[in-house]
Amino acid sequence: GNSVTQMEGPVTLSEEAFLTINCTYTATGYPSLFWYVQYPGEGLQLLLKATKADDKGSNKGFEATYRKETTSFHLEKGSVQVSDSAVYFCALTSWMDSSYKLIFGSGTRLLVRP
Amino acid sequence: DTGVSQDPRHKITKRGQNVTFRCDPISEHNRLYWYRQTLGQGPEFLTYFQNEAQLEKSRLLSDRFSAERPKGSFSTLEIQRTEQGDSAMYLCASSLALSGTTEAFFGQGTRLTVV
Repeated sequence: GNSVTQMEGPVTLSEEAFLTINCTYTATGYPSLFWYVQYPGEGLQLLLKATKADDKGSNKGFEATYRKETTSFHLEKGSVQVSDSAVYFCALTSWMDSSYKLIFGSGTRLLVRP
Repeated sequence: DTGVSQDPRHKITKRGQNVTFRCDPISEHNRLYWYRQTLGQGPEFLTYFQNEAQLEKSRLLSDRFSAERPKGSFSTLEIQRTEQGDSAMYLCASSLALSGTTEAFFGQGTRLTVV
């Protein structure tokens, strides 16, 4: 079945450091890929998405590129801020599943220190 | 539109009691999803509606769980005879499904604690 694997956290960085959170997926066909962010006490917010191979999603300085050959969708940011501290979830939906339900990874907690 | 809203935000209940949660989706969205998130895990799909029809239920949704979406507007998720293992965050999401993948918008969730 479809699945998403994320690197385990927590990831602790100093402000202005470079961020990478790894995400790989297993899916039949060509899924759409997403990164969601969950701030403390809040629901999930869509951060960025990519719907086909080689697409790059970007938002708020975060980027991720849909790599079909490596089945990956790694999240990157060049310079993190304290306000980026949150839990980040990689997720997919499959066009072969008419529900378009999201399949999530287990999440990676990011802590950015001043 | 204020987005997806869920009520209550927190619920503490004794084991064996029944609880009901409400979700109000974004008004023009025809799809509504329920997910469950336990500590340290990603959300897991429970069920979804297209308009008022419940089209899919996960194996996670035991007989004690029931969901409704009367008239294709708000939805309720009821858990009967709660167990400690039901303690989790219950998330609702909605989307406008026309064709292809669409963005799902999440509510802030209802955190259930069964004591």
